[in-house]
Amino acid sequence: SQELEQSPQSLIVQEGKNLTINCTSSKTLYGLYWYKQKYGEGLIFLMMLQKGGEEKSHEKITAKLDEKKQQSSLHITASQPSHAGIYLCGADVGSGNTGKLIFGQGTTLQVKP
Amino acid sequence: GAVVSQHPSWVICKSGTSVKIECRSLDFQATTMFWYRQFPKQSLMLMATSNEGSKATYEQGVEKDKFLINHASLTLSTLTVTSAHPEDSSFYICSALVGQLMNTEAFFGQGTRLTVV
Repeated sequence: SQELEQSPQSLIVQEGKNLTINCTSSKTLYGLYWYKQKYGEGLIFLMMLQKGGEEKSHEKITAKLDEKKQQSSLHITASQPSHAGIYLCGADVGSGNTGKLIFGQGTTLQVKP
Repeated sequence: GAVVSQHPSWVICKSGTSVKIECRSLDFQATTMFWYRQFPKQSLMLMATSNEGSKATYEQGVEKDKFLINHASLTLSTLTVTSAHPEDSSFYICSALVGQLMNTEAFFGQGTRLTVV
């Protein structure tokens, strides 16, 4: 079965610093989602990547999917306290967009003011 | 983006009772919804796929008689935790599939925190 490994598991950065979170899959990714979650709350959709080499940006967050479609990275530029939370990568379990997702274990981000 | 709403946001129930959680798609129709469970400091685990007009599909290890899923309309799926026990205490969250073919996205509800005492 497919597994997603996120690294690091937790991260503490100073406000204004850049950071990167990685998500590695044991199988080819056909749909890779990035979400943000605050503990005990729902998931906020950030971005979805499908094509090898694809890159998407929204505000200060950029997500990339490598050419082989087995690794994705989430990069935050000039981090702010509002970026704090748990970042989850999720992958579609099928070979298409089924919407049925497995998730990495999450990366907890703290941003120190 | 599409809006998925869950109700209630939190619930406390006594051991042995049943609890129903609703998942609604507010501005779109969802033929397929998914139910996940998240234990403290763990990631989300898929429990079942809810299909409008047909039986739900459960993941391995999830008891279908304990977690009853009903998807009676294109905008509502319900998860009923029957004869709840303290070990069922968890964060339950649903998602709905929006779009078609290569342009599908999964949007999540805000989750329901269940505490069984």
